Amino acid sequence: QQPVQSPQAVILREGEDAVINCSSSKALYSVHWYRQKHGEAPVFLMILLKGGEQKGHDKISASFNEKKQQSSLYLTASQLSYSGTYFCGTERQAGTALIFGKGTTLSVSS
Amino acid sequence: KAGVTQTPRYLIKTRGQQVTLSCSPISGHRSVSWYQQTPGQGLQFLFEYFSETQRNKGNFPGRFSGRQFSNSRSEMNVSTLELGDSALYLCASSETGVGRNEKLFFGSGTQLSVL
Repeated sequence: QQPVQSPQAVILREGEDAVINCSSSKALYSVHWYRQKHGEAPVFLMILLKGGEQKGHDKISASFNEKKQQSSLYLTASQLSYSGTYFCGTERQAGTALIFGKGTTLSVSS
Repeated sequence: KAGVTQTPRYLIKTRGQQVTLSCSPISGHRSVSWYQQTPGQGLQFLFEYFSETQRNKGNFPGRFSGRQFSNSRSEMNVSTLELGDSALYLCASSETGVGRNEKLFFGSGTQLSVL
């Protein structure tokens, strides 16, 4: 079952913060985050496992709330290079397919 | 290491035809997954192959099929093309496969247009 991402789109100015959410109605084993820039392949950002702690990647971090089956991606002090579409992918259990949400488009302007 | 290579980059076909797309994974990667990307629908999972065996399958009709060779290269075939099959088809490779907490490495995709 496809996870639900919100919001669908975000418009920011450089230096502003954003939060992207990813929710599932089913229990999850892990959540993956990828970013795709226009005309390019999706690129891995991070994986959060059930029972794991919040992860960070430069000024991008994420959390995984197992009780709510929800993950949030935090982008702080956004830069122009953060622009793109962010996808969360979820695994219901180890060995199953990675199912992606519809994506959240982030636009950062100067 | 070379990245994931997909060929061809662009394809134009007409309804009713069939098409074969190719994906060469990163050297040493044994898992290849295929995704269909269309505007507003995100990345929809087609199937995953590992060591020449289909390990996971998405909810696509039987017109979509795939296979993997002993060198881990994979092909995806779509028969009796429909207008709705127009999309960017992405493949991704990883060492042991989807569901093993590994990151996926995506190719640049094949843009298929069905007229």
